[in-house]
Amino acid sequence: QSVLTQPPSVSGTPGQRVTISCSGSSSNTGSNPVNWYQQVPGTAPKLLIYSNNQRPSGVPDRFSGSKSGTSASLAISGLQSEDEADYYCAAWDDSLNGFVAFGGGTKLTVL
Amino acid sequence: EVQVLESGGGLVQPGGSLRLSCVVSGFSFSSYAVNWVRQAPGKGLQWLSAISGSGNTIYYADPAKGRFTISRDNSRNTVYLQMNSLRAEDTAMYYCARDGHNLPSAILIWGQGTRVTVSS
Repeated sequence: QSVLTQPPSVSGTPGQRVTISCSGSSSNTGSNPVNWYQQVPGTAPKLLIYSNNQRPSGVPDRFSGSKSGTSASLAISGLQSEDEADYYCAAWDDSLNGFVAFGGGTKLTVL
Repeated sequence: EVQVLESGGGLVQPGGSLRLSCVVSGFSFSSYAVNWVRQAPGKGLQWLSAISGSGNTIYYADPAKGRFTISRDNSRNTVYLQMNSLRAEDTAMYYCARDGHNLPSAILIWGQGTRVTVSS
């Protein structure tokens, strides 16, 4: 059972826009920045979005992040076949002694 | 360019121990926290532990408490994860990941991982 809640799967056709939600609580997404990671099967995760909506250098502007209250979203526009991957949200959680909370991951399928 | 390189994984019997190492280069090593995250086969990401840039502040997730110990040697740009009393459920890919701050808060840069298999 993950601390952050994501849909297990989403799908879309090339060129479409899809969104992936990430729901948490006041101790994590409600009070700390949300980061998003992309993991292509068989490879290590890669930072996609940090601090809710910032893109690292090299990440296409087709990827965007947003946060409102305790929920965050990752949007992918102009969907491409190479976007097929698993996507994870994460945020620091201030409860207990502090830890990194991950979502369970969302598998994006490009139809 | 920041590089993160893990080593030390392998096959170990239940009850055994392993020490994972993570060498991080390309930046001021002691300025940033480092995390360990694992991923069991077919499963999601699970954060295990983090250590602050100075090494003075340490955090553990429940699966790591009492069995795993994180440490760092800033003179060698290396973070370690000592894993004892290993169980079958510890079988996973273990990733080392550099944080964006001196205290852990945001994992920014991941290594390629080192695989740990616990089996008799």
